[in-house]
Amino acid sequence: QVQVVESGGGVVQPRRSLRLSCAASGFTFSDYAMHWVRKAPGKGLEWVAVISYDGRNKDYANSVKGRFTISRDNSESTVFLQMNSLTDEDSGVYYCAKEGYMNGYGLYYFDHWGQGTEVIVS
Amino acid sequence: EIVLSQSPDFQSVTPKEKVTITCRASQHIGTNLHWYQQRPDQSPVLLMKYASQPMSGVPSRFSGSGFGTDFTLTINSLEPEDAATYYCHQSGSVPLTFGGGTKVEFK
Repeated sequence: QVQVVESGGGVVQPRRSLRLSCAASGFTFSDYAMHWVRKAPGKGLEWVAVISYDGRNKDYANSVKGRFTISRDNSESTVFLQMNSLTDEDSGVYYCAKEGYMNGYGLYYFDHWGQGTEVIVS
Repeated sequence: EIVLSQSPDFQSVTPKEKVTITCRASQHIGTNLHWYQQRPDQSPVLLMKYASQPMSGVPSRFSGSGFGTDFTLTINSLEPEDAATYYCHQSGSVPLTFGGGTKVEFK
């Protein structure tokens, strides 16, 4: 059974940093690209970042480019999101999502989502 | 960036009613359009991939259609558990984008 579990959220002051983690199980982690998607209070879903199955390719939403860094450790089946220079617009629930196609990179659907971890910048 | 315009923003419904949600893309995306359901206080769940392919376990009252720039999610004979926000998502190009969401609420 596929499981994706985020952690690392919390309350952080503006301009500070936070690192989110996403632990995956129930599938061959190193075969799938992984994404971060967020939902700000009262707003819709916003895609944040993607990392390819092998970690070589990464892409970001314009709103976080230059501030956020996605990475992964295939030996630990974990994906990370390093968030720097946080602003109140970065507040929200951050979801980790598995791409639905083996060896893909970004251009597919999300077939499994975690329960999310909340980030409050205040 | 491909913009997805979703409508309506909100739909107040009664049981057994039919709901149609539309999603319009600012550029041609073929069938690279997917639909998610997010119930209150839950994570999103993939309902439909590639415009019209339902995921395993999705009730037959859900159907999707469309190609290019215009897409539709239809829910026939609404059930109480269908109260949720529905999002379209395009995977035609990066940055990936979502529609603004359609909240379906029972009267």
